[in-house]
Amino acid sequence: DSGVTQTPKHLITATGQRVTLRCSPRSGDLSVYWYQQSLDQGLQFLIQYYNGEERAKGNILERFSAQQFPDLHSELNLSSLELGDSALYFCASSVWDRGNEKLFFGSGTQLSVL
Amino acid sequence: DAKTTQPNSMESNEEEPVHLPCNHSTISGTDYIHWYRQLPSQGPEYVIHGLTSNVNNRMASLAIAEDRKSSTLILHRATLRDAAVYYCILRDGMGGATNKLIFGTGTLLAVQP
Repeated sequence: DSGVTQTPKHLITATGQRVTLRCSPRSGDLSVYWYQQSLDQGLQFLIQYYNGEERAKGNILERFSAQQFPDLHSELNLSSLELGDSALYFCASSVWDRGNEKLFFGSGTQLSVL
Repeated sequence: DAKTTQPNSMESNEEEPVHLPCNHSTISGTDYIHWYRQLPSQGPEYVIHGLTSNVNNRMASLAIAEDRKSSTLILHRATLRDAAVYYCILRDGMGGATNKLIFGTGTLLAVQP
């Protein structure tokens, strides 16, 4: 158990809908990262928050947004869903160790868009 | 981000050592070498990281070439539970908290009983 909690574990929805994925980082970790993993794209970095502020952006679509709240949990909002958004979404929190960050990943949310 | 090259797949026998290679010929002086693994149906898991010296922890050892253009992750005694995709990733130590971890395609390790 990494200590990172993601809910829900599974989500089934229809095209055009909007969903919210939730992530609780390990206690005390200030950074939250979001990744998307699909069969054809592999693990893709989406976005990073640090202590409530956006720190880095990756291949995140405009239809997707995220935020990190004062209690450090984070939400990833996906709107106008398309079939191609079906994927595993992981979040991770991090700790600094020997000069660099190491990430702890949750077990993911499996999103199926039908 | 500097690129890494790993074999697509490798096979090992249970209870034997496994050496997973990674080439990173364009590594910069401030790049750390990270290894993560992803077991089936799970999120990636941190394994080890290092800068210049070899590193050991309870999971594995990391051997870094003197010129730092390649490294090897060593699992001392493979178990069935070690079957996973292993990712070798470079991460700039100067980037601070803004530096993202970019995953490649990794090496799929199969462990035979």
